[in-house]
Amino acid sequence: GAVVSQHPSWVICKSGTSVKIECRSLDFQATTMFWYRQFPKQSLMLMATSNEGSKATYEQGVEKDKFLINHASLTLSTLTVTSAHPEDSSFYICSASRTSGLSQYFGPGTRLTVL
Amino acid sequence: QQPVQSPQAVILREGEDAVINCSSSKALYSVHWYRQKHGEAPVFLMILLKGGEQKGHEKISASFNEKKQQSSLYLTASQLSYSGTYFCGTAQSQQGGSEKLVFGKGTKLTVNP
Repeated sequence: GAVVSQHPSWVICKSGTSVKIECRSLDFQATTMFWYRQFPKQSLMLMATSNEGSKATYEQGVEKDKFLINHASLTLSTLTVTSAHPEDSSFYICSASRTSGLSQYFGPGTRLTVL
Repeated sequence: QQPVQSPQAVILREGEDAVINCSSSKALYSVHWYRQKHGEAPVFLMILLKGGEQKGHEKISASFNEKKQQSSLYLTASQLSYSGTYFCGTAQSQQGGSEKLVFGKGTKLTVNP
């Protein structure tokens, strides 16, 4: 159990376009989902925490209007990178937790390349 | 605050043991351990919730010293499949009552034949 999927696995887009990444918990209901960004050879940096039905909590320095998060149901959260630029190229990983404070299960990640 | 992991990297031969440490300047309520292989997402290893707790799965175990605000991950008789970067994550409360994980910078483990 505790399988999390992400779609797409990778995406290449032109500068200025928007990209949507989906995160789904396949076999459990996730009260909380998290979005991370990871640059090469670096640690996971939390971007935002998303609770179903409420507004996401963004980390300091993460632009809310650029990284739109929607947590519409207990099994689905989406991250939309708006007006993407080359510096947004990174590995985006979501995780899901049944209950706050307990284990997070990570999706396989989405590699975004902005040309 | 980001927990501190040590060492940053370690190279082993198959069958050797390793210890990875994770310490925090803040009080720890739980410690989560993950392993990430190159190009893949992190995989959950274990979570320690209570001071003094020790856990293990096959030849990987961990301990949690609440007083010392640190946790250690022990890899015994390492296998090639143990290679990867190990992250510890410490839970921090945030607005709204939920908790988030703050990850250390990682320890890169390489197991050679």
